[in-house]
Amino acid sequence: KAGVTQTPRYLIKTRGQQVTLSCSPISGHRSVSWYQQTPGQGLQFLFEYFSETQRNKGNFPGRFSGRQFSNSRSEMNVSTLELGDSALYLCASSLQASGANVLTFGAGSRLTVL
Amino acid sequence: GNSVTQMEGPVTLSEEAFLTINCTYTATGYPSLFWYVQYPGEGLQLLLKATKADDKGSNKGFEATYRKETTSFHLEKGSVQVSDSAVYFCALSDPGNQFYFGTGTSLTVIP
Repeated sequence: KAGVTQTPRYLIKTRGQQVTLSCSPISGHRSVSWYQQTPGQGLQFLFEYFSETQRNKGNFPGRFSGRQFSNSRSEMNVSTLELGDSALYLCASSLQASGANVLTFGAGSRLTVL
Repeated sequence: GNSVTQMEGPVTLSEEAFLTINCTYTATGYPSLFWYVQYPGEGLQLLLKATKADDKGSNKGFEATYRKETTSFHLEKGSVQVSDSAVYFCALSDPGNQFYFGTGTSLTVIP
């Protein structure tokens, strides 16, 4: 069974650009969550999607957005990049939207903003 | 609100030493509790979980018991190996599938 796949694994952008990251969940998983991981702030929740609907959202500015497609694949977009957006972006999928679910994480997309 | 507090790191141990990483939580209702591990250059992997009070989660020699009375979920291992060097995250999930993670504890095991 394939795991959670995130692309690209590494990317470098400059300030002011935008970036789109992709996440393919485990087959059958309908919930996809995104997290930002930095050395200073740790793991911070961005948003969660279930059946193409955003169910939960963290405390990030509107430059951070996401969506989920009918096949459960998800993308997140960051516009007008800032130096502080440099981070490891992790995607996680889970089978259900409620109950004692387990998050399965991808390897992450490491974004560097210059 | 919900939150997780875990032991500050980094932690450095000699091989075969006993490991404890403390984790306490604040939650309304009855959360599920998890330990995840992150090896260098990788995403987080589930290490163990417990879904109700007094449950003990265990995997690869690691154990943690869901203690409702002390709101704790401390991670333990009797004899660590070099291969256990990683960052360990304590987490809880609420009934709405919202996860809350601790800040992570870096463990280095030296031969």
